[in-house]
Amino acid sequence: DVVMTQTPPSLSVAIGQSVSISCKSSQSLVARDKITYLNWLLQSPGRSPKRLIYQVSKLDSGVPDRFSGSGSEKDFTLKISRVEAEDLGVYYCLQGTHSPTFGGGTKLELK
Amino acid sequence: EVQLVESGGGLLKPGSSLKLSCVVSGFTFSRYGMHWIRQAPKKGLEWMALIYYDGRSRYYADSVKGRFTISRDNSKNTLYLEMNSLRYEDTAMYYCAKSDFDHWGQGVMVTVSS
Repeated sequence: DVVMTQTPPSLSVAIGQSVSISCKSSQSLVARDKITYLNWLLQSPGRSPKRLIYQVSKLDSGVPDRFSGSGSEKDFTLKISRVEAEDLGVYYCLQGTHSPTFGGGTKLELK
Repeated sequence: EVQLVESGGGLLKPGSSLKLSCVVSGFTFSRYGMHWIRQAPKKGLEWMALIYYDGRSRYYADSVKGRFTISRDNSKNTLYLEMNSLRYEDTAMYYCAKSDFDHWGQGVMVTVSS
């Protein structure tokens, strides 16, 4: 199985601050079709997960452009510029190139 | 509007069986693969199973292979997860999700306890 190592496990931020979350995979996530199936999800408190970003850097509809994804092969980053209160929750990376696996999650809290 | 609605959860004893359902609307169900994912209390997300759009291919996490069966009825827009030989560690919120994880249900709780 592909292991997704996500860091840090938690982040304490002030509103308006920018943060980055890292996700590293144990294998390349470039699929045979040359697409990299790396997603970022947010699970707000008491809610189901919601996909924010797919294929490394493509934003889902309605996701603010304060969110951005980058990376390639085995090393990926989610950046949130100017954190807002609605951004708080647990972020997960998820690879869909191989049998799907999730990162361990990063809890974003208010400082 | 895309909707996925899970049902069938509950409180079960170890060794028992349960079948979860996920009724889908808002997209052409028969064209998409579907997943089951679970989340143990205060833990992270764990992928369980995938079924292709036509039901001909199915894949499972090692933790449930041989005990859980994913299936679908495209005429009813419904996805299923049959769970056998339930263990304490199967206690979790179970979510269904569309193929690219772009849509998720609200989840259904399964508790295994004696």
